[in-house]
Amino acid sequence: AQSVTQLDSHVSVSEGTPVLLRCNYSSSYSPSLFWYVQHPNKGLQLLLKYTSAATLVKGINGFEAEFKKSETSFHLTKPSAHMSDAAEYFCVVSSGTGFQKLVFGTGTRLLVSP
Amino acid sequence: DTAVSQTPKYLVTQMGNDKSIKCEQNLGHDTMYWYKQDSKKFLKIMFSYNNKELIINETVPNRFSPKSPDKAHLNLHINSLELGDSAVYFCASRQNTEAFFGQGTRLTVV
Repeated sequence: AQSVTQLDSHVSVSEGTPVLLRCNYSSSYSPSLFWYVQHPNKGLQLLLKYTSAATLVKGINGFEAEFKKSETSFHLTKPSAHMSDAAEYFCVVSSGTGFQKLVFGTGTRLLVSP
Repeated sequence: DTAVSQTPKYLVTQMGNDKSIKCEQNLGHDTMYWYKQDSKKFLKIMFSYNNKELIINETVPNRFSPKSPDKAHLNLHINSLELGDSAVYFCASRQNTEAFFGQGTRLTVV
């Protein structure tokens, strides 16, 4: 069984400061891990993915995440927040590829102030 | 071209009615899903189909019946709608790694 824990329900940052959204996972198999973003009243967009290649993964809009097996973590970071980054972020785990289900974390709302 | 498209985008209906949500993907993927997002934004899988075959049914009430007429379509029919069915429903498709999601259908039962 797989599960994901997003450690913060809300994170508030100022524009131009670093962003850190924390995620810990549990998986019986080698996991695939993803971060998705959902802007208000919008669908889900893939930010980045880890699928057993490089442990440091770069995504869109300057986001990146590092897979740390020893810590079972996949934290999302960005060096400098932009107002347009304000959204809900979901960490997602899957036990493999193909038709395996994706299990979502409870989400972290990122608030960016001017 | 939208990769995964759902219709309708909004659906307001009365308790007890029967309604359907349609989903189509043009990515050629084998696997399609339905997810439900509740008022707290939590996303939970409902169903998964692979090549028109039901793979996952996550203890969803049998008032919910998915139908996959072909690999590119996975529709969701809901009978006897209840207030608690109000949510945003997302369709998704997947081939290997990441899933691609539709824009969601906001269902409001009054």
